[in-house]
Amino acid sequence: DAGVIQSPRHEVTEMGQEVTLRCKPISGHDYLFWYRQTMMRGLELLIYFNNNVPIDDSGMPEDRFSAKMPNASFSTLKIQPSEPRDSAVYFCASNGLAGRGNEQFFGPGTRLTVL
Amino acid sequence: EDQVTQSPEALRLQEGESSSLNCSYTVSGLRGLFWYRQDPGKGPEFLFTLYSAGEEKEKERLKATLTKKESFLHITAPKPEDSATYLCAVQEGSYIPTFGRGTSLIVHP
Repeated sequence: DAGVIQSPRHEVTEMGQEVTLRCKPISGHDYLFWYRQTMMRGLELLIYFNNNVPIDDSGMPEDRFSAKMPNASFSTLKIQPSEPRDSAVYFCASNGLAGRGNEQFFGPGTRLTVL
Repeated sequence: EDQVTQSPEALRLQEGESSSLNCSYTVSGLRGLFWYRQDPGKGPEFLFTLYSAGEEKEKERLKATLTKKESFLHITAPKPEDSATYLCAVQEGSYIPTFGRGTSLIVHP
């Protein structure tokens, strides 16, 4: 398996523009997580899905952020409109059973810069 | 108050100089404690899961231990390729782990 795939790897945009980040989880994994990593706040969970259904989006910072998972092999995280404070590395992760001890498999991340 | 605190924030070692990284946590009802390694420009990569106090796990030069309040990641005779950020995460009531901010380790040759 190729692991978790994210695109794009880098995104530079201007304030006010819409940004869409994409993720393909590992085949067979039924949990998908979106994280944001910054120097100030570390790794923060934004939202997670189970069987394509959003379970907890309490980490989504504002209504400008939205996430979807239309099928088991694809998810998007959208920011509209983007702001400079959204600049961060966004990670997608998946695992097969979010029970006790199951590790998460992370993608390579998307580095977002909002000017 | 942070549930997971890692120390030190940064650590510089000479090759072969053994040391330990600390992860202290305040959650009750710990289900699992995870250690991950993160290289620059990459996502975190899983190392260990510990479930209960007294448990230990080893992988090459790394050994993770767990008490009721903290975990240690011991690095024995480190090499430059061990340089990375090491993240700790704890899992309690829900299935979702909470991550610490990590320890950045640099091993000089």
